[in-house]
Amino acid sequence: EPEVTQTPSHQVTQMGQEVILRCVPISNHLYFYWYRQILGQKVEFLVSFYNNEISEKSEIFDDQFSVERPDGSNFTLKIRSTKLEDSAMYFCASSETRPTGELFFGEGSRLTVL
Amino acid sequence: GESVGLHLPTLSVQEGDNSIINCAYSNSASDYFIWYKQESGKGPQFIIDIRSNMDKRQGQRVTVLLNKTVKHLSLQIAATQPGDSAVYFCATREAGTALIFGKGTTLSVSS
Repeated sequence: EPEVTQTPSHQVTQMGQEVILRCVPISNHLYFYWYRQILGQKVEFLVSFYNNEISEKSEIFDDQFSVERPDGSNFTLKIRSTKLEDSAMYFCASSETRPTGELFFGEGSRLTVL
Repeated sequence: GESVGLHLPTLSVQEGDNSIINCAYSNSASDYFIWYKQESGKGPQFIIDIRSNMDKRQGQRVTVLLNKTVKHLSLQIAATQPGDSAVYFCATREAGTALIFGKGTTLSVSS
């Protein structure tokens, strides 16, 4: 069964460092998303991406964040100058169609900022 | 803005019982609703979805009910099993916008 894969599964970084989280969406999907989940809290939308550009972003997704699809398979989330409050699980998701397409989520990347 | 919430943060049931997990949403323009299950340390997993032109949809052991009048969504799990223990999130979307998640209900099933 096709799945969304994410790397790394866990990353520990020092405050102020840059982090890149990587995702390989399902191959025939066209829409890509990043969500985050702070421990014990709800899943929060960060950004959606379609046709090589951001289609929607939340208030959380400020200038500290950026996304990129550097090649035909990877979708990355970059966090510049990480803060303690960036510690969370980051989930990548993809969907074949939108607006009513089901989102398929990866297993997540746990980011710990010290 | 949109807010999505669940009535109870936790629900404990006995194996074999039926479980009902509730969700309220605020945006009357929401036209797509979805339930996800999240097991510990994993990403959200699709359970069932429903569009606003329907009020009920059934899957395998699960039923989603939608009441647009009171902006309420529920997930019914029949014959709950220990493997159903997880956090359940409802999520809603207005056409063309991002999927917004509620806070989650932790379902604990004891045998």
